[in-house]
Amino acid sequence: QKEVEQDPGPLSVPEGAIVSLNCTYSNSAFQYFMWYRQYSRKGPELLMYTYSSGNKEDGRFTAQVDKSSKYISLFIRDSQPSDSATYLCAMRGNTGGFKTIFGAGTRLFVKA
Amino acid sequence: DGGITQSPKYLFRKEGQNVTLSCEQNLNHDAMYWYRQDPGQGLRLIYYSQIVNDFQKGDIAEGYSVSREKKESFPLTVTSAQKNPTAFYLCASSPAGVNTEAFFGQGTRLTVV
Repeated sequence: QKEVEQDPGPLSVPEGAIVSLNCTYSNSAFQYFMWYRQYSRKGPELLMYTYSSGNKEDGRFTAQVDKSSKYISLFIRDSQPSDSATYLCAMRGNTGGFKTIFGAGTRLFVKA
Repeated sequence: DGGITQSPKYLFRKEGQNVTLSCEQNLNHDAMYWYRQDPGQGLRLIYYSQIVNDFQKGDIAEGYSVSREKKESFPLTVTSAQKNPTAFYLCASSPAGVNTEAFFGQGTRLTVV
């Protein structure tokens, strides 16, 4: 079993839809939870960075962490064609060195 | 503009050759990382460095080597011992106190010919 599981998609939605992207994990030691956006043939870009449980909002993006269920989500409101990309979840613990575990990514297509 | 520069963007390697991928940052970040990305897989850590003249192996360090002689530079050498080097290589950095890879470069795509 992988430490971090992420549905690869692809996920296709119409412009303006609310998008929900999710990851599950198995290691209860994870404390930092991140979402990255990666356009084709580019490096990932850090979108959201949260510590422990709860919600964090930044513009059209909301990150949720439910540590009791070992489940994290990224919501995108009013999705735009420019949001079409691969979204990677990632997480790291407080101990054990500087090691981040990445999900394989979900490919999102937003149709105009 | 501050950021991470990886070069070259595309690199072709013959069997048995060593090649070096460049990674330079002008963000004054202490930590730097090298990842490998293969289709359908998450990023896998090759090496990381938290400070100049110090670096640690990641999960897939075999067949790779690095150096950290300057804060802004963290080159990766793919040696002939790496049996399956064709992949997308990503360099990242983060400042002290930030527990994630804050910035990534644009990547180098290495192909064995």
